[in-house]
Amino acid sequence: SYELTQPPSMSVFPGQTATITCSGDKLGDKYASWYQQKAGQSPVLIIYEDIKRPSGIPERFSGSNSGNTATLTISGTQAMDEADYYCQAWDRITVFGGGTKLTVL
Amino acid sequence: EVQLVQSGAEVKKPGESLKISCKGSGYSFTNYWIGWVRQMPGKGLEWMGIIWPGDSDARYSPSFQGQVTISVDKSISTIYLQWSSLKASDTAMYYCARQPTTVTKLAYFDYWGQGTLVTVSS
Repeated sequence: SYELTQPPSMSVFPGQTATITCSGDKLGDKYASWYQQKAGQSPVLIIYEDIKRPSGIPERFSGSNSGNTATLTISGTQAMDEADYYCQAWDRITVFGGGTKLTVL
Repeated sequence: EVQLVQSGAEVKKPGESLKISCKGSGYSFTNYWIGWVRQMPGKGLEWMGIIWPGDSDARYSPSFQGQVTISVDKSISTIYLQWSSLKASDTAMYYCARQPTTVTKLAYFDYWGQGTLVTVSS
């Protein structure tokens, strides 16, 4: 079965850029999406079809996908961005990555 | 406004049956796939399956095939997730979510329900 691998955790200082990776076999040939889940809340779609942002999602969130890696970039990270982030793709079924806990120091 | 409203928290005993619900509103209910996602305590998201309300076509993750049943009642715009015999390992938060595309390789979820916490304990 298809697997997506994310780093379990990472930390960043406010104002810095956070880069969260998601690795999977030939992931660049598929479409990646990203979700933000804050503590005690439902997931929220922040990136779909590799690079698109739903309305209402701040421009500091951006995505890319090439080769075996999709990347979520948060520019000028804010304290409110502290959350779990999940990548997702489709390979015969929908698959989620294991999630990355982002701590804003 | 698109909304997915799920039924309330449940506490059940092992071996009992359960059916939780997800009611959609604010969009054309029969024209969007609705999926179920499990999140066990302190863990990540797991895709369980999905249903097309228009014709009740349901598809399951191999991990959940035969363990749960996804169904729909179009007359009340409601999707269900059902267990016939719960186990302690079914304890989790369950989310329903809308998939806005019929192109499977583009699959993603744009709206999510608030979640239903299921606790199975003797």
